[in-house]
Amino acid sequence: DGGITQSPKYLFRKEGQNVTLSCEQNLNHDAMYWYRQDPGQGLRLIYYSQIVNDFQKGDIAEGYSVSREKKESFPLTVTSAQKNPTAFYLCASTIPGYNYGYTFGSGTRLTVV
Amino acid sequence: AQKVTQAQTEISVVEKEDVTLDCVYETRDTTYYLFWYKQPPSGELVFLIRRNSFDEQNEISGRYSWNFQKSTSSFNFTITASQVVDSAVYFCALSGPNDYKLSFGAGTTVTVRA
Repeated sequence: DGGITQSPKYLFRKEGQNVTLSCEQNLNHDAMYWYRQDPGQGLRLIYYSQIVNDFQKGDIAEGYSVSREKKESFPLTVTSAQKNPTAFYLCASTIPGYNYGYTFGSGTRLTVV
Repeated sequence: AQKVTQAQTEISVVEKEDVTLDCVYETRDTTYYLFWYKQPPSGELVFLIRRNSFDEQNEISGRYSWNFQKSTSSFNFTITASQVVDSAVYFCALSGPNDYKLSFGAGTTVTVRA
């Protein structure tokens, strides 16, 4: 079955560490997105990519980095510059041009310890 | 700029009651798309409905119904005869005609008690 796989489901980070969240899709979607979810704040866009080797900052990109070397993969790195990284991270994908909405992964819960 | 407001933070009902979730949006685009997603405790967002700005017909899907009113910039969602399995966070979202970024509301947590 086609879908989006996010891993790991739970991730713990020590202060000062960089961590990478994985997002893989087999839907053949061109566009991929990373959202951060905090309680009571809905989803906020971190980064998005509409084609391979290209990506744009979203509303809260500071302290995060991404790459898009393959169509299927859009990993997110949470760097030590992100001062408050504890949150739930959701990856999504879609087909640009049709506005069908997104298909979401099941998310990664990141906790700083 | 696009903005989605879900004024209700939490709603608690007893099973079989109806529940309506409010969604008000702001956009300068004449063509836009509205969505509702459900987020159960597992965390994954599940697509419920998509509506474009030129289609103001209300829609019913089983126990779910949606009321889209451009005059009041609202896209409200009603669950009829609620069930415990309806307990989730529900998000309203908006996108423009060529920009496929979704802007989400803050979400409404619905709790259905048996």
